[in-house]
Amino acid sequence: GAGVSQSPSNKVTEKGKDVELRCDPISGHTALYWYRQSLGQGLEFLIYFQGNSAPDKSGLPSDRFSAERTGGSVSTLTIQRTQQEDSAVYLCASSFDHLVRGISYEQYFGPGTRLTVT
Amino acid sequence: GQNIDQPTEMTATEGAIVQINCTYQTSGFNGLFWYQQHAGEAPTFLSYNVLDGLEEKGRFSSFLSRSKGYSYLLLKELQMKDSASYLCAVKVFSGGYNKLIFGAGTRLAVHP
Repeated sequence: GAGVSQSPSNKVTEKGKDVELRCDPISGHTALYWYRQSLGQGLEFLIYFQGNSAPDKSGLPSDRFSAERTGGSVSTLTIQRTQQEDSAVYLCASSFDHLVRGISYEQYFGPGTRLTVT
Repeated sequence: GQNIDQPTEMTATEGAIVQINCTYQTSGFNGLFWYQQHAGEAPTFLSYNVLDGLEEKGRFSSFLSRSKGYSYLLLKELQMKDSASYLCAVKVFSGGYNKLIFGAGTRLAVHP
């Protein structure tokens, strides 16, 4: 019964480089979310996947950010030409079914990837 | 817009009771979650309220008043391990699906 896993756990990169962050959701969870959490701040929604499609990309901060999900499972968040303001913890969460209104399908979070852009 | 407010920090004594408040102004309200997050760790689910009233789960209880846009998390018999951030999150139904909007979190410090 593995939970949500993310890799790498820590990533230090130089400004201007591209990075890829990976999320493995809980098996069978159809919904997947990416959030960003800056030091001492709440969770900032980035993008939501239902299956392989992303009905809501409204939280992506700029066109340097993109994400994909394949096979209804693994997701990758890519940040191109990283900037120092991208430094944060990137959290992934999954839930069983996001489309049923009024049902309390809580989101299960992964441990996050701490990204530091120098 | 969507707005969720909770106090930034609180302190309490081991063995005591503490109440963490959350007020929200959102559209399409479909429930409210509380999550606990220890420093450097992922948030973990504590409670969910969709109807008005109190939900009790061991030492933790959560209350919701939809008409007032208000919730609180009540922690009883505080233990040192309860020192963590507590995140209030509102589920809104918009565009055909549910979405969680998180508050900034309340950092609780429990001291002996």
